[in-house]
Formats: sequence, structure tokens, C-alpha cells
Amino acid sequence: ETGVTQSPTHLIKTRGQQVTLRCSSQSGHNTVSWYQQALGQGPQFIFQYYREEENGRGNFPPRFSGLQFPNYSSELNVNALELDDSALYLCASSSKDRWDTEAFFGQGTRLTVV
Amino acid sequence: AQKVTQAQTEISVVEKEDVTLDCVYETRDTTYYLFWYKQPPSGELVFLIRRNSFDEQNEISGRYSWNFQKSTSSFNFTITASQVVDSAVYFCALSEAGYGGATNKLIFGTGTLLAVQP
Repeated sequence: ETGVTQSPTHLIKTRGQQVTLRCSSQSGHNTVSWYQQALGQGPQFIFQYYREEENGRGNFPPRFSGLQFPNYSSELNVNALELDDSALYLCASSSKDRWDTEAFFGQGTRLTVV
Repeated sequence: AQKVTQAQTEISVVEKEDVTLDCVYETRDTTYYLFWYKQPPSGELVFLIRRNSFDEQNEISGRYSWNFQKSTSSFNFTITASQVVDSAVYFCALSEAGYGGATNKLIFGTGTLLAVQP
């Protein structure tokens, strides 16, 4: 196990609703990245949080937003859900204080928008 | 722009066969990292290996081995004597150096589904 936990594991929402996904990072890690993985695709980078600030963002609209807390856990919020937001959302924990770090992933949250 | 290509969408082998998963990458950075992750049906991405761009030595870990060749921008992964438990989707990924303020985001390929038949 990586020590990265995500909640919930599964979620069904209706189009137009809002959703919050949560991630607890591995002990000693200060960076959390979020990825969206559509069915049959590789994960796509959404954004990264480092020491409670956004530190890079992929090609996702502003309705995807996030937070990082002092304990380095993180939330991903998606407003005005669309059907195409249905995907596996993965959180990755790492440390930017080490130059050669790998990211450890949680088990993901599978979001279905109907 | 950074890009990772995994041309093999699906591979099916019989147990005990050797199998090689191909990965070709593109980047303008001189310092970068390459990764392989395994994704079983449960969904979690399991880290297998990280190589930095300055280290072209091949690596072997049990039945797994990796061949990194900068000249061809490839980072291939071989499983020797495959087992049913190796069945999963395997992703190759690329990132820039993550120190300082750089965003060390991972750029993933589309993955290769490996099915090992008993």
C-alpha cells in the first residue's frame, strides 16, 4: 500500500451538480497532484498543489478547482458536472523537496455523471 | 511538447512467455524522468520504476527489466516468464525534473493492456 487514500471510492452524480473528492497524502509528502482518467485512456493532469498553493494546471476548465490543507491533504471540486466528467479521478502524492521523487497514487474515485 | 506513445494497445501471451512493452517519448528537456506504472483492475496505479535522463543503464528487478535508449527515445519494459498476476494495464510516463518550482506532472501514454493466459 502507498499510504495515499481517496474518498469516496465510487460516486454517482447528476449532470449540473457539484462534487468534492478527497485525498490524503502519504506521510512526509507535501505535493498532491490530481489526474482524470477516462475509460481506455491514460491519466490526464488536472492540477498540482504544493504547500497549499496551486503549482501548475493542465487543460481543464475553471469549474475544476482544488484546495490543499496544512496537513497536505487535498480536495478536488468540480462544479456544473457534465456527462464527460465521468472518469476515474486519481490523486498522487509526492515531495518537491527532493529532486528525484516519484509519485504514489491512491486507488482513485470512480465518478459517474448521469 | 512532451508526449509518450505506447503503440501496443493490447497484448495477449500465454503464461511463461516473455513479453516486451514498448514506450517511445518526446521531450525538449535535457533533464527528465521516465516511469512505468501498473494498473490492475482495482484502478490504483502501482509504481514500478523511475529512470532519470542521465542514467541509461538497463535495470533488472526479478522478472522485470527495462531498456532505456536515449538515441531512439525509448524506454521498453520486458517481463520474463510472465504470470497470470501480471495481467494489467501498463503505463509509461514522462516528467520534467520536479525540483524548485517546476511542476513535475506526469505525461502518460495511452497504456498497454497485457493479458496473460494460463
